[in-house]
Amino acid sequence: EVQLVESGGGLVKSGGSLRLSCAASGLTFNIAWMSWVRQAPGKGLEWVGRIKSKGSGGTVDYAAPVKGRFTVSRDDSEDTLFLHMNSLKPDDTAVYYCAKVRDVNNLGVFNYWGQGTLVTVSS
Amino acid sequence: DIQMTQSPSTLSASVGDRVTISCRASQSISSWLAWYQQKPGKAPKLLIYKASNLESGVPSRFSGSGSGTEFTLTISSLQPDDFATYYCQQYNPYSEFTFGGGTKVEIK
Repeated sequence: EVQLVESGGGLVKSGGSLRLSCAASGLTFNIAWMSWVRQAPGKGLEWVGRIKSKGSGGTVDYAAPVKGRFTVSRDDSEDTLFLHMNSLKPDDTAVYYCAKVRDVNNLGVFNYWGQGTLVTVSS
Repeated sequence: DIQMTQSPSTLSASVGDRVTISCRASQSISSWLAWYQQKPGKAPKLLIYKASNLESGVPSRFSGSGSGTEFTLTISSLQPDDFATYYCQQYNPYSEFTFGGGTKVEIK
């Protein structure tokens, strides 16, 4: 059974930094493409970024609102995905989900999701 | 960015009803469209991908159709477990991925 477990959320001041982790199990993590998706309280879903497997180049794509401030990385030896967030703004307040990309023919579809971790940025 | 517009934003229906949710893209996305179901406090669940492909384990009362800019999610006979919020999402390989604003299906 695939499990994705996020951690690292919490309260941080505007301009601060935070690192989220997503521990994966039940899948061959090193070949999985992974993403982060966020959801502000009471709002809809927003894609944050996606990292390819190292075998596919390991490159990362970001949504415009976070580009230059957020970094997605992975540690395949630990089956863990990370989201490094810098220069945080109150608008970044959200539940952050990690999600697994479904397959190479559907690179923007997410078939497994974690339970989410809440990040609150105070002004 | 490709904008995704869902309608209606809220839908009231009864168990057994046929329910249709629409999703419109601001430009053609071919069939690069997925549908998710989300219940309060839970992560989204994938229902449909590539516009009309049912994800494994999802009941056959869910179906998707459309291509280009107009898409539809249909629930053929609404069940108690289906009261939730539904999101469409475009995943055009040449743009950022974007979600619709959501459609909340409520009990009538």
